[in-house]
Amino acid sequence: DVKVTQSSRYLVKRTGEKVFLECVQDMDHENMFWYRQDPGLGLRLIYFSYDVKMKEKGDIPEGYSVSREKKERFSLILESASTNQTSMYLCASTGGSRSYNEQFFGPGTRLTVL
Amino acid sequence: AQSVTQLGSHVSVSEGALVLLRCNYSSSVPPYLFWYVQYPNQGLQLLLKYTSAATLVKGINGFEAEFKKSETSFHLTKPSAHMSDAAEYFCAVRAYNQGGKLIFGQGTELSVKP
Repeated sequence: DVKVTQSSRYLVKRTGEKVFLECVQDMDHENMFWYRQDPGLGLRLIYFSYDVKMKEKGDIPEGYSVSREKKERFSLILESASTNQTSMYLCASTGGSRSYNEQFFGPGTRLTVL
Repeated sequence: AQSVTQLGSHVSVSEGALVLLRCNYSSSVPPYLFWYVQYPNQGLQLLLKYTSAATLVKGINGFEAEFKKSETSFHLTKPSAHMSDAAEYFCAVRAYNQGGKLIFGQGTELSVKP
């Protein structure tokens, strides 16, 4: 059974803290994504990575950075958390050569910044 | 630019009634379309996908969707709703750039009344 796991389901942090969200996939996928989910806005892409150490900005990268040191692991970093980063964060991965291959999602991390 | 619009942020049906969730897309290239379901406090699970092989696509849990190019639509249906279908549903189109990210609609929350 394919799996994408995220390090925390719920996280509470204070304004200004550095926050790490970890994502691991066991499918040997090349592409990994971080999305942010907010009510009424659907999911929006923060960053994606198409290979180890390769990353590109998505639609809303401000205030975030990422790291991909190993193929299976993709980390999202909030350098200095702010209250407007309170949200649900979802990691996804996809692989293979076909354009219509679906993305597999992790369970999500609900982050609250106080 | 590619986009997805889901008509109706909330849909309520009675158990046993037809479920119809609407999705319209905009794409300058032949689209790859997806429907995902999200149960409370969980990640997204793929229901079905359109890959141009057939316009009527059958998915899991009795759901199906029909691709209509002339109407730029990909509506999701199920003949008879179950209580367990209560969830949030997302329609998405695969982008031709940004690593093949998914561009999501705003989501439709389905409620099922006994």
